[in-house]
This record gives sequence, C-alpha cells and structure tokens, in this order.
Amino acid sequence: TQLLEQSPQFLSIQEGENLTVYCNSSSVFSSLQWYRQEPGEGPVLLVTVVTGGEVKKLKRLTFQFGDARKDSSLHITAAQPGDTGLYLCGDTGTASKLTFGTGTRLQVTL
Amino acid sequence: NAGVTQTPKFQVLKTGQSMTLQCAQDMNHNSMYWYRQDPGMGLRLIYYSASEGTTDKGEVPNGYNVSRLNKREFSLRLESAAPSQTSVYFCASRMTGRDYGYTFGSGTRLTVV
Repeated sequence: TQLLEQSPQFLSIQEGENLTVYCNSSSVFSSLQWYRQEPGEGPVLLVTVVTGGEVKKLKRLTFQFGDARKDSSLHITAAQPGDTGLYLCGDTGTASKLTFGTGTRLQVTL
Repeated sequence: NAGVTQTPKFQVLKTGQSMTLQCAQDMNHNSMYWYRQDPGMGLRLIYYSASEGTTDKGEVPNGYNVSRLNKREFSLRLESAAPSQTSVYFCASRMTGRDYGYTFGSGTRLTVV
C-alpha cells in the first residue's frame, strides 16, 4: 500500500513570508496532483505534474516534481491570507483512484 | 455550471438508522468517487465508479453501499449507521485519463449519535 507523507503537518506564518511544503511517497508516483481545501469546501485542483524534474508555476506557487518521481514540493512566495487552507497532494495511481496524503494546514496571518 | 452537487449538507443520525447521500455532476464525467475525511486521516476512498454501470471498493468500503444510477448520479448508502461513520463525506468526479483533475462537491457533514 502506497504511503504519502506530507510535511509539515501545520504551518503558521505571517503575510509576506515564503514557505515550502513537501509530499513524499513510499513508491513512484503515477502522476501527482496538488489540491487546496478551504474550510467547509471540497478540495480544488491546483496542478498536475507528470514528468520527473518537472517544475510548474501558478502565480506565486511553484510546484516541483522530484527526478525519481517519489517526492514533490510546493513553494509559496510572499504568502497572503488568501493562501490559508489545507494543502493536499495525491497520486492518481492505477485504476483512476486518487490516494491522498494527510495534508499540510497553512495559516497566514496579517 | 453547478459542477458536483451533494445533498444533504448536514445530517444527524441515530445509531442503526439508514440514509442515502446523493451526488450529481453535470460535467459529463465518466468516473465518480466517494471519499470520507476525518481529522488526521486525510481523505480516504470509500467506493468509486470508473464508468456508468460499474462500481468498485476503495480503501474503506465496510458499512457502505453505492449505486451508479446513471452517468450523472452516484449515491452512497449507510444501511445501519455507526458512530465510527461520523465524518465529512465528499463526492468527486473526473474524466477518464491519468492527468485529469478531480472535481469535488462541498461535502456532507454526518454525525452519528
């Protein structure tokens, strides 16, 4: 059974700071997706990464996929209160089943 | 465009009662999923339907049944609710293909007392 570990579990920072969260797998990812979930809502897809070494940018968010496709990171530059939420990584795996990590809960304060 | 619609949003059940959680999507997606989310446990897959007419067990199927009524609708039934089924339930859908993202509903918060 694949294990997805996310770190840190909790992160509280001030507006304007930079941060990085990590997602590591016990096995090679099929493809990796990052989601953000706000309180009372379902997760919303941020990005899909497929190729080892791939880097994708979404405004102030930078996503990296490890060369061996067993790890990924999400870097946020100049965090804003609107970035607050639960960040989840997930492996699409086989048979179209998405397996999630336990998430990183980010709080950005003014 | 509503996306994925779940009903009800909140529900309180007594132990042993039954209920059905409804889910409908209007994006013509082939695959649909039911997840539960518990503190510290992340999102865990209960059942999924890769296409209309098929259903398969996920990681935590015990105590649940599903029905893929048509391409749009995928329901989750609790036959005899237990306190361990207190959770937030999310329905999701996606197009077939590894790189497609999942679209989630806003969830059903279920409490079993």
